[in-house]
Order: sequence, then structure tokens, then C-alpha cells
Amino acid sequence: EVQLLESGGGLVQPGGSLRLSCAASGFTFSSYAMNWVRQAPGKGLEWVSVISGSDGSTYYAGSVKGRFTISRDNSKTTLYLQLNSLRAEDTAVYYCAKAGCSGGNCYRPPDYWGQGTLVTVSS
Amino acid sequence: QSALTQPASVSGSPGQSITISCTGTSSDVGTYNLVSWYQHHPGKAPKVMIYEVTKRPSGVSNRFSGSKSGNTASLTISGLQVEDEADYYCCSYAGSSTLVFGGGTKLTVL
Repeated sequence: EVQLLESGGGLVQPGGSLRLSCAASGFTFSSYAMNWVRQAPGKGLEWVSVISGSDGSTYYAGSVKGRFTISRDNSKTTLYLQLNSLRAEDTAVYYCAKAGCSGGNCYRPPDYWGQGTLVTVSS
Repeated sequence: QSALTQPASVSGSPGQSITISCTGTSSDVGTYNLVSWYQHHPGKAPKVMIYEVTKRPSGVSNRFSGSKSGNTASLTISGLQVEDEADYYCCSYAGSSTLVFGGGTKLTVL
């Protein structure tokens, strides 16, 4: 059974940093690209970033490029998102989501999601 | 890229059918047959209901179906049930290894 468990959310001041983690199990982690997707309060889902399964290629939404960094540790089957220079508009539930196709450089829409972790940016 | 366009809300009575549209552009929905639909109950993990425009994962009711015409994808739910009440989101591959989501549609089963 595929399981994705996010952690690391919390309250942080504007300009601050936070590191989110997503522990994965139930599938061959290194064979799949992994995404971060967020949902601001009362808003829809927004794709944030993706990392390939093996070669470490990364891609970002324009709204977070240069501030957020996605990474993964295949030996620990864990996905990360480093959030820097946080703004109020980054307040959201952050979900990790597994790409819906195998092959490390396959970036189709996700097939499995975690339950999310809440990040609140406020002074 | 801009979010895909979905109606904010739809409603129907038990047993009826409803359709949710998802309008994109020739850079996403119109070019790629890589549209998925998700059911999302607040506080829970989103669940894929349709992938690759028309395919249904094992375990998903055949009351859920997908289609696409031009730049618009659609999700149809037939034989509405109370438990179908949720938020629904479309998602399309948008090229250059990126994804784009719709704004979401709140389904109310009256």
C-alpha cells in the first residue's frame, strides 16, 4: 500500500524558513518523480515543484522559484521541501504527491497523495 | 501558467448525473491526454478518480467517467450519491515537466 506522510509544518514569521519532509513507503521510491502541491485557505490546489526519480532534475512554479528547494533522499525514501524567504501568501497545506507513472523522468499528474502539513506564515 | 477553469460549484439530487468542466489551453489540456480528476474531502488526501482523460483506477466506481474535447476536459458522475459530495479538481500536464490544476468545483448533493 502506498503511503505518504508529510511533516514539518508550523507557524513561521515572514522572511523565515521551514523544511518539510514526506516519508514514502509501499513503492519503489527511486523509480518515481515526486511533487509538492499546496492549497491556501479557501483556495484551490497549486502545483509547487517536482523532482525526478533518479537524476535529481527539479522544476518549480514561478511563484516559488528561487525561494523553495525540492530534494530527495532515495536511501531514506524521503522527499523534502526547503521553504525560504516565506511570505504570508505561502500559507497553505502542503501535500506531497507521487507521479502517476514509473520512470524517473515521467511527470504525469499524481496518483497518490499524502494528507498534507499546514504551513502558516504570520507575525 | 494560469490555472485551469472550473465552475465554482455544481449540485444535483441523488440519482441524477452532473458534469464538471475543466477548460485549459492548447498548451496543456488541448495538447496532452494527461488530464486527471481528483476527489477531495477537506482534511483528507485527494483521491484520483480519472487519469489520462478517460481511465478509471481500480476501485473507483464506474459512475465516474471522463472525456475531452479540444481544450476542455469533463468529469461526469452518474447516479449521484450522498458520499460523492466533495471538492473536485482537474489537473493537466502542461509541458516542460510542469503541472497545472483547476480552481476546484464544490459538488453538493441535495
